Amino acid sequence: GAGVSQTPSNKVTEKGKYVELRCDPISGHTALYWYRQSLGQGPEFLIYFQGTGAADDSGLPNDRFFAVRPEGSVSTLKIQRTERGDSAVYLCASSSQTGGHTEAFFGQGTRLTVV
Amino acid sequence: ELKVEQNPLFLSMQEGKNYTIYCNYSTTSDRLYWYRQDPGKSLESLFVLLSNGAVKQEGRLMASLDTKARLSTLHITAAVHDLSATYFCAAHLTVSGNTPLVFGKGTRLSVIA
Repeated sequence: GAGVSQTPSNKVTEKGKYVELRCDPISGHTALYWYRQSLGQGPEFLIYFQGTGAADDSGLPNDRFFAVRPEGSVSTLKIQRTERGDSAVYLCASSSQTGGHTEAFFGQGTRLTVV
Repeated sequence: ELKVEQNPLFLSMQEGKNYTIYCNYSTTSDRLYWYRQDPGKSLESLFVLLSNGAVKQEGRLMASLDTKARLSTLHITAAVHDLSATYFCAAHLTVSGNTPLVFGKGTRLSVIA
């Protein structure tokens, strides 16, 4: 399909484990965003990539969270030593940012549950 | 720090009625976005409002933007059950469009017969 793809759709992990969440943006989109959405809340910004580099990582809650986008396309969000408070839906979005039109398109999300 | 506030947060309305959801934001962002989210689903883009005075309509939904008042509205006309969902507004972190979006808490709309 032509949309933003995220895998896995669901992930259950034990407290203290390491997890990786993958995002495949829309082809050609240079900007990629990660958000976290807790139950009943709006998405909260985590990190934003422009190409391969992290343009803004001010939303990452602590140093257990890290994200990469080595070739400017697929991105991986990595969480070390997971805690129960990390449980949420992690959303990825991409945008083309051409002509000043920066509409972001969201993937289906990865529901992370830390038990 | 940009704040985006929506009200109401919960809205129960009868089919056929009209209502408006309000979105206030605290910086000089010149564009505003509305998204819809169904339970367990991702966000679907509804409207992109790019300038002061912009008005867009799609079916029973109409969105407007007043950048001077830092206010956007989402008006629902003659509501139907299919409109039941959570609606989010979002603004850019800074005036530049190339920055992440900051979302409101969402308005959970329930349309009842």
